[in-house]
Amino acid sequence: NAGVMQNPRHLVRRRGQEARLRCSPMKGHSHVYWYRQLPEEGLKFMVYLQKENIIDESGMPKERFSAEFPKEGPSILRIQQVVRGDSAAYFCATKTGSESGELFFGEGSRLTVL
Amino acid sequence: DQQVKQNSPSLSVQEGRISILNCDYTNSMFDYFLWYKKYPAEGPTFLISISSIKDKNEDGRFTVFLNKSAKHLSLHIVPSQPGDSAVYFCAASAEGSNYKLTFGKGTLLTVNP
Repeated sequence: NAGVMQNPRHLVRRRGQEARLRCSPMKGHSHVYWYRQLPEEGLKFMVYLQKENIIDESGMPKERFSAEFPKEGPSILRIQQVVRGDSAAYFCATKTGSESGELFFGEGSRLTVL
Repeated sequence: DQQVKQNSPSLSVQEGRISILNCDYTNSMFDYFLWYKKYPAEGPTFLISISSIKDKNEDGRFTVFLNKSAKHLSLHIVPSQPGDSAVYFCAASAEGSNYKLTFGKGTLLTVNP
């Protein structure tokens, strides 16, 4: 999983600020998934993107959260007006387009909201 | 509603013995199951998977068993090694779900030397 790059690894925000988390897929991977892990919980699916398209955002909170995967550059998960409940580890996972491709996870971005 | 359940938050075994981690699921649409291993401050690493058309898959020291009628799977590690100490997550996906994984809460395995 070392090939999936996430930054920042740690991010501290005050309530009301914006958080931007970036994910650069492994070479050759065109599918990006974002997961969130709250303390003492498993990973929860948030959104699935391919280049320039959101395929499935059924796990995204309806407000304040958005994601994109532009033609050039990393995928970005954006959280506006953060609240303390947004404090979590956010993991990006990527795969190739093939049906049998495995998901490779990044090391995560840990968001702390003060 | 938790569709994938790992009822044991932790498990402790002696080095060289067998580790058995259990996982139950409720969604009958799940047809692909995976185990991930996670060290602190790292992302999950894929360990082993099994399709619902099989009941066993083996890879070295790791074997996953699937009992579809009981909606239960287990991961066996034998022999256990101290380096196996980590959190193990069970995950499942359903056909047509865009490979969207549903994870359990994890089991912390500690292998004592």
